[in-house]
Amino acid sequence: NAGVTQTPKFQVLKTGQSMTLQCAQDMNHEYMSWYRQDPGMGLRLIHYSVGAGITDQGEVPNGYNVSRSTTEDFPLRLLSAAPSQTSVYFCASNQNNEQFFGPGTRLTVL
Amino acid sequence: GEDVEQSLFLSVREGDSSVINCTYTDSSSTYLYWYKQEPGAGLQLLTYIFSNMDMKQDQRLTVLLNKKDKHLSLRIADTQTGDSAIYFCAESVMNDYKLSFGAGTTVTVRA
Repeated sequence: NAGVTQTPKFQVLKTGQSMTLQCAQDMNHEYMSWYRQDPGMGLRLIHYSVGAGITDQGEVPNGYNVSRSTTEDFPLRLLSAAPSQTSVYFCASNQNNEQFFGPGTRLTVL
Repeated sequence: GEDVEQSLFLSVREGDSSVINCTYTDSSSTYLYWYKQEPGAGLQLLTYIFSNMDMKQDQRLTVLLNKKDKHLSLRIADTQTGDSAIYFCAESVMNDYKLSFGAGTTVTVRA
């Protein structure tokens, strides 16, 4: 199993640009989530999904959209990037209360 | 997050034991986790403890849970240079997979 994969690893955007961060898992986990990591703040939940077709907001959802058309994929969309969205983004999937994290995407918004 | 607190830094000599502390506020917390993050990498689950336990040992790692004080600790025996990393404490509630994380403790192992 590849586990949880994320692309790209690094991305630089200009303010106002849009992009999609990709996340996929091959473990057939129903639950997936997106977190952002900022210095001194740990990880904060952006959006999560308990299964295909179902998504919900986490702690910091503003400026982000998600969809879950398949069990495997859970993309995160930034509609109009802002410098405050400069962060490291982690995708995770969960089974039996064990959460598995992807390697992260480091995003810089200029 | 605000619900989970950790000290930010810990420096330890190689070969000594490290103890990382964490406090949480949610009395309904069911699972408490320790994650390790090495530079430039994702989070690796080290261990977790269910709230009806007060101790769990796994090789060099010992987790202690004081549910009354809402205090969790991770002890690393015989700390090695490869243990230098950020350690995150996290909690979740039964059947709710959302995790609340502490800010992370940066552990530096010196020779």
